[in-house]
Amino acid sequence: DVKVTQSSRYLVKRTGEKVFLECVQDMDHENMFWYRQDPGLGLRLIYFSYDVKMKEKGDIPEGYSVSREKKERFSLILESASTNQTSMYLCATRINYGYTFGSGTRLTVV
Amino acid sequence: KQEVTQIPAALSVPEGENLVLNCSFTDSAIYNLQWFRQDPGKGLTSLLLIQSSQREQTSGRLNASLDKSSGRSTLYIAASQPGDSATYLCAVFDDDIQGAQKLVFGQGTRLTINP
Repeated sequence: DVKVTQSSRYLVKRTGEKVFLECVQDMDHENMFWYRQDPGLGLRLIYFSYDVKMKEKGDIPEGYSVSREKKERFSLILESASTNQTSMYLCATRINYGYTFGSGTRLTVV
Repeated sequence: KQEVTQIPAALSVPEGENLVLNCSFTDSAIYNLQWFRQDPGKGLTSLLLIQSSQREQTSGRLNASLDKSSGRSTLYIAASQPGDSATYLCAVFDDDIQGAQKLVFGQGTRLTINP
């Protein structure tokens, strides 16, 4: 089975910091996704990538950027963290017909 | 724009009951549909994937059906157990450029099974 690993379960960062959230998958999949999950708003797509160095904006890309230099790694970057980016961040990959998610990173911006 | 709705938002039942969770979507031109389970503070665990050409999938005590024409899917849980307590999320595959097929999620049903 595919494994999606998010490097941190919990992060606390200060307002204005540059934050990197890392995601690694072990099956050479092309498609990778970043979602954030908030109470009452559900899961919303931030960015996705369908190949190395390729990226597309999702529904809420403002304040975020991404990097995909290698197929197995997809990084989400908060250029200048703000308190409204406090959230659960979930990385996913898709192969064949189904999605696999990582265990999530709970980010708190203070 | 695809919208996914899950009813009810929360459900509490005694152990041993059979139950049905509902999911509806506005655009019937979906590719696939996937049901997930999420425990508090954790990531999403895939339960069942129904491809667009299929009408149902089964895994153990779980059965999911898909009716594209009516824009509905149901997740049936037989003989519920306290360990089934979690939030259940329905997601449809929405086509996008390059065929990435992003997921569009419902808000989830928070299920509590009482011993």
